[in-house]
Amino acid sequence: AQSVTQLGSHVSVSEGALVLLRCNYSSSVPPYLFWYVQYPNQGLQLLLKYTTGATLVKGINGFEAEFKKSETSFHLTKPSAHMSDAAEYFCAVIRYGQNFVFGPGTRLSVLP
Amino acid sequence: ETGVTQTPRHLVMGMTNKKSLKCEQHLGHNAMYWYKQSAKKPLELMFVYNFKEQTENNSVPSRFSPECPNSSHLFLHLHTLQPEDSALYLCASSQGRRGVTGELFFGEGSRLTVL
Repeated sequence: AQSVTQLGSHVSVSEGALVLLRCNYSSSVPPYLFWYVQYPNQGLQLLLKYTTGATLVKGINGFEAEFKKSETSFHLTKPSAHMSDAAEYFCAVIRYGQNFVFGPGTRLSVLP
Repeated sequence: ETGVTQTPRHLVMGMTNKKSLKCEQHLGHNAMYWYKQSAKKPLELMFVYNFKEQTENNSVPSRFSPECPNSSHLFLHLHTLQPEDSALYLCASSQGRRGVTGELFFGEGSRLTVL
């Protein structure tokens, strides 16, 4: 069965610092990959997705992620954190014929 | 209205009550989902409907009863719940189901508290 791991259940960064949230998946066949963000008391909102083509994908709010097949990774980055980025971030994968598989989530705190 | 709308946003019920959660999507999608999000647990897929037909039930207890009268509406009927059922219940929709790369669109969730 597929699985998604997110290293670090809680990440803290200072405002203006680099944000790096890690995601690794287990799959012999490259899946389609997604990052979702969840603000308090809200549902999940799509940040970005990789299906095919360019391995560096850009999303909303200045986030981007790079698909690295050799490392089975899809890490999320943002060059400069903003207070409004504080939220829970979920990595998810889907393969043909299967349901979405979500990672456990990483809570991002941004310190002033 | 646009997107996926869930009502009520908050619900408190006793263990003997019967209540329902409602989800409506205005995206023209044909697949709808119920997820359960509990504190410190990964998202749990509960039910999947595709073109109004239930295609997946992830061993959900019978005290949760889904209903999908059409592709735009999804209900979750609740009865004789337990305190451990307290969670955020998320509805989602997508265009197509298996084999489609389209993402899930989520509602804002219904926060359920069982006393």
